[in-house]
Amino acid sequence: DAGVTQSPTHLIKTRGQQVTLRCSPKSGHDTVSWYQQALGQGPQFIFQYYEEEERQRGNFPDRFSGHQFPNYSSELNVNALLLGDSALYLCASRFRGGYGYTFGSGTRLTVV
Amino acid sequence: QQQVKQSPQSLIVQKGGIPIINCAYENTAFDYFPWYQQFPGKGPALLIAIRPDVSEKKEGRFTISFNKSAKQFSLHIMDSQPGDSATYFCAASRSRDDKIIFGKGTRLHILP
Repeated sequence: DAGVTQSPTHLIKTRGQQVTLRCSPKSGHDTVSWYQQALGQGPQFIFQYYEEEERQRGNFPDRFSGHQFPNYSSELNVNALLLGDSALYLCASRFRGGYGYTFGSGTRLTVV
Repeated sequence: QQQVKQSPQSLIVQKGGIPIINCAYENTAFDYFPWYQQFPGKGPALLIAIRPDVSEKKEGRFTISFNKSAKQFSLHIMDSQPGDSATYFCAASRSRDDKIIFGKGTRLHILP
């Protein structure tokens, strides 16, 4: 049983560009959340998707947007990349009504 | 404002010792307190979790102690092994549907 799958694993972008990160949740999971983890820090909540809608949002600018598809997979889009957006982006999924998220291994984004 | 405060930042323990990681919170609406373990290059993995109506929970060599009145909780690792060397995060959320708020993490190193 595959866990949470994220792609790509690593990415290098130039400041000002746009990036799309992808996530396939664990089988049976319908809720997806995205987190940003800066080096040496704990993950910071970006937003949560359920039933293809954004349900909660953390303290991130509108440059960060997302989408959830009917098969529960999700995308994270970041526009107008800044150097400070360099981080590990984590996708986590769970079954709505259950506790405990399963995290993917993340996408390491470097903005140069 | 840091909602979950974690200490120490780093910890070095001899094999067989009992590392203790402490966390404190302010928001009394939190009702779910998970601990995550993260190895380099991987996403966080749920280790053990507790609800505030329980003062202690054990799973294998890992024990959570919870003090609701003091708004503190801690992780103890019994008979620690070099393979336990990782970064540990305490976290909290208000409900099963709410976002997870992470502490800043403790980098644990178990000496062989």
